[in-house]
Amino acid sequence: QVQLVESGGGVVQPGGSLRLSCAASGFTFSSYGMHWVRQAPGKGLEWVAFIRYDGSNKYYADSVKGRFTISRDNSKNTLYLQMNSLRAEDTAVYYCGGNSGYDSPFDYWGQGTLVTVSS
Amino acid sequence: SYVLTQPPSVSVAPGQTARITCGGNNIGSKSVHWYQQKPGQAPVLVVYDDSDRPSGIPERFSGSNSGNTATLTISRVEAGDEADYYCQVWDSSSDHEVFGGGTKLTVL
Repeated sequence: QVQLVESGGGVVQPGGSLRLSCAASGFTFSSYGMHWVRQAPGKGLEWVAFIRYDGSNKYYADSVKGRFTISRDNSKNTLYLQMNSLRAEDTAVYYCGGNSGYDSPFDYWGQGTLVTVSS
Repeated sequence: SYVLTQPPSVSVAPGQTARITCGGNNIGSKSVHWYQQKPGQAPVLVVYDDSDRPSGIPERFSGSNSGNTATLTISRVEAGDEADYYCQVWDSSSDHEVFGGGTKLTVL
């Protein structure tokens, strides 16, 4: 069955860095656009970043542009999010998700990994 | 940037019909997707492309989209439908995915 498993979350100080991973299985990862979506405690969903199936296009929310970098390794069926210059407002559960095209719904979601930015 | 507006909360008695709206400028020209999220869980797709249902989603869930408003309709509401619901579109002008702020459905 389809699985997306996030890892790499934890507690980090403001200004620090963290790298999230999302391991995919059960579907053709290399054919899917992949996203990171986050949810601050008690808040709604916020889209963070997207990478095209072949890695050729990447888009970012204004709130993370210049600080976060999305990447993927199709040979390892793995999605990444490098997060630098972290702020308290980046504290959230980070979900990875996949869809088959720009207008398409998120067919697959991971269970999320919690990132806490605190001194 | 494109903004989607949802009511923070909707309340309905069991067996009645719940309607959750999602407002956006000319949203009728976009494909709208709806997700259900229960506490501590990842979102689950319940309606896609305005009005289609994924396999396994009850027929009680339906959607429509026209003008400046998309609507998720849940008929014969059950206690198990209590959750947060989010609408979502792709904004091609900014190359951003956009989520609505979410609506908490309470079953009285």
